[in-house]
Amino acid sequence: QVQLVESGGGVVQPGGSLRLSCAASGFTLSSCAMHWVRQAPGKGLEWVAFIRYDADDTYYADSVNGRFTISRDISKSTLYLQMNSLRPEDTAVYYCAKEQGGSGFYDYWGQGTLVTVSS
Amino acid sequence: ETVMTQSPATLSVSPGERATLSCRASQSVGHNLAWLQQKPGQAPRLLIYGSSTRATGIPARFSGSGSGTEFTLTISSLQSEDFAVYYCHQYNDWVDTFGQGTKLEIK
Repeated sequence: QVQLVESGGGVVQPGGSLRLSCAASGFTLSSCAMHWVRQAPGKGLEWVAFIRYDADDTYYADSVNGRFTISRDISKSTLYLQMNSLRPEDTAVYYCAKEQGGSGFYDYWGQGTLVTVSS
Repeated sequence: ETVMTQSPATLSVSPGERATLSCRASQSVGHNLAWLQQKPGQAPRLLIYGSSTRATGIPARFSGSGSGTEFTLTISSLQSEDFAVYYCHQYNDWVDTFGQGTKLEIK
């Protein structure tokens, strides 16, 4: 069955970097578009980044564009989010989510990993 | 970017009763609207996609309707496990956006 397991969260100082991973199983990563979505403590959901099924296209929210990079390693069946120049407002639980067959909606979500940006 | 507005922010309903949640888009999203359920400490779970299609394993008491800018999630005969936060999600644009959520609480 489909499983998404995030890791890599933690506490980082403002201006620092962190790389999140999302280990995918139960499906072929090269066949699916993937997203990162975040949720600040006590707040709603915010879309962060997208990578097309063939990795030829990536898109970012304005709030992270130029600072975050989404990528994947098919051989490791793992999705990544490289986060640079982190700000306190980036503090959130980060979820990876699988898009169903190019349709746009997310049929599976990981359990999330918490990133705290604080001095 | 399409702004999604959910109402009410909090809905108090007794078990066994019906709950109706609303979601409005600032511009048309067609039928590209999903509903998610989130319980404390858990990841969101897909309930409805295409504005009205139930996801795999979702009970028939959950139903969605609407198109364009107005959408509704109806939960008939609320069960104890249904009390949670519900989000609408539009995936019509290049930038996906979510509503701010409706908290469904026990009356």
